[in-house]
Amino acid sequence: GIQVEQSPPDLILQEGANSTLRCNFSDSVNNLQWFHQNPWGQLINLFYIPSGTKQNGRLSATTVATERYSLLYISSSQTTDSGVYFCRGGADGLTFGKGTHLIIQP
Amino acid sequence: KAGVTQTPRYLIKTRGQQVTLSCSPISGHRSVSWYQQTPGQGLQFLFEYFSETQRNKGNFPGRFSGRQFSNSRSEMNVSTLELGDSALYLCASSLEAGNGYTFGSGTRLTVV
Repeated sequence: GIQVEQSPPDLILQEGANSTLRCNFSDSVNNLQWFHQNPWGQLINLFYIPSGTKQNGRLSATTVATERYSLLYISSSQTTDSGVYFCRGGADGLTFGKGTHLIIQP
Repeated sequence: KAGVTQTPRYLIKTRGQQVTLSCSPISGHRSVSWYQQTPGQGLQFLFEYFSETQRNKGNFPGRFSGRQFSNSRSEMNVSTLELGDSALYLCASSLEAGNGYTFGSGTRLTVV
């Protein structure tokens, strides 16, 4: 089946640090998206990025479809960045990874 | 503007029963998609509707069904509930199918 692997599974950082989250696909990358679920369960669609690079404030994402991976960069982390980050894509464009659980400590 | 509204927020049902969950999208959004989230399986896509037509369907048994009305509101139905159906069910709406989703707060379903 379609495999979507996210790394690292867990990450603990101090406020102000930068981080890179990765999403690897066993098959082709289609309809790649990044999501953030805050500690209260609310999901937010961060990026739709089937290829190339996009930036939104302190967050940016890059997808290299030919090498079947995507990266999410978070700069100058804030405690509000805490939560779980999911990528979604794969050949069907519908498969989620297991997520990266990020904790930003003050 | 009002966000995506899911009702009810919490629900307890007995095995074998059926349940209907409702999702009201943001005004003007014509696409509604549904997701199941459990500790074991994580986030999984259920289905997506656009202008009353199902555009995509995830890998779930036929007990899971949905529909979208002409006003873009959507319902999903689960028949013959099993304990494993206990989950957070999330709905999202977007202007077009495929991206730009805004999520609701979810319906927490517990099957006992």
